[in-house]
Amino acid sequence: EVQLVESGGGLVQPGRSLRLSCAASGFTFDDYAMHWVRQAPGRGLEWVSGISFNSEAIGYADSVKGRFTISRDNAESSLYLQMNSLRAEDTALYYCARAVAGTGLYYNYGMGVWGQGTTVTVSS
Amino acid sequence: DIQMTQSPSSLSASVGDRVTITCRASQSISNFLNWYQQKPGKAPKLLIYVASTLQSWVPSRFSGSGSGTDFTLTISSLQPEDFATYYCQQSYSTPPYTFGQGTKLEIK
Repeated sequence: EVQLVESGGGLVQPGRSLRLSCAASGFTFDDYAMHWVRQAPGRGLEWVSGISFNSEAIGYADSVKGRFTISRDNAESSLYLQMNSLRAEDTALYYCARAVAGTGLYYNYGMGVWGQGTTVTVSS
Repeated sequence: DIQMTQSPSSLSASVGDRVTITCRASQSISNFLNWYQQKPGKAPKLLIYVASTLQSWVPSRFSGSGSGTDFTLTISSLQPEDFATYYCQQSYSTPPYTFGQGTKLEIK
C-alpha cells in the first residue's frame, strides 16, 4: 500500500524551530518529486515547498522562503521540512504529498498521494 | 507569481444537478492545471491533472477542460458523495505552485 506518514508537528513558540518528517512506503521513493502543502485552520490549501527526486530542483512559497528548508533522504525514503523563525501565521496542518508521476519538479502533474498531515501550532 | 482565482467560492446545488466551477490563472499556464477534492477532516485527493486527465478512481461524471488561463471543472450529475470543497492548482514552470481559494459545494 502506498503510504505517506508525517510526524514532528507540535506546539512551538514564535521564533523557534521545528523539523517535520514524512516517511514513505509502498513505492520507489526516488522515482518521484515530493511536496509539502499546508492548510491553516478553516482556510484553503497553500503549497509550501517541493523537491525533485535528486534534490537538484527545489522551490518555496514566498511566505516561507528563507525560513523553511526542504530536503529528502532517498536511502531512508523520507522527506523533511526544517522550519525556522516560526510565526503565528505558520500555524497549520502540514501535508506531505507525492507527485502524480515523474522525478522532476518543474512543469509537474500535481500531487497524487497525500499523507494525513501533522499539526503545527505556533503560539506563546 | 501566478495567481489562481476560483469562482464561485461557494455553491449550493441538488443531487442530479450539473455543476461547473471555474478557475482563472493570472497568466498562461498551458494545461498545467490540477483539480483536488477535499472532504471535511480528510486530506485532499487529486481528481484531474493537466486540465482534463481523470485519476483512475474518479467517476466519469467529472470532467475538466481549458487551456491557457481559463479552466473548468464540471460534474454532470451531482451525487451525494460529491459534496466537498474543490481546489484548482497550477503546476506550470517553476515554483511556487499556487492553489485557488477553493469552492465549497453544499447541498441545497
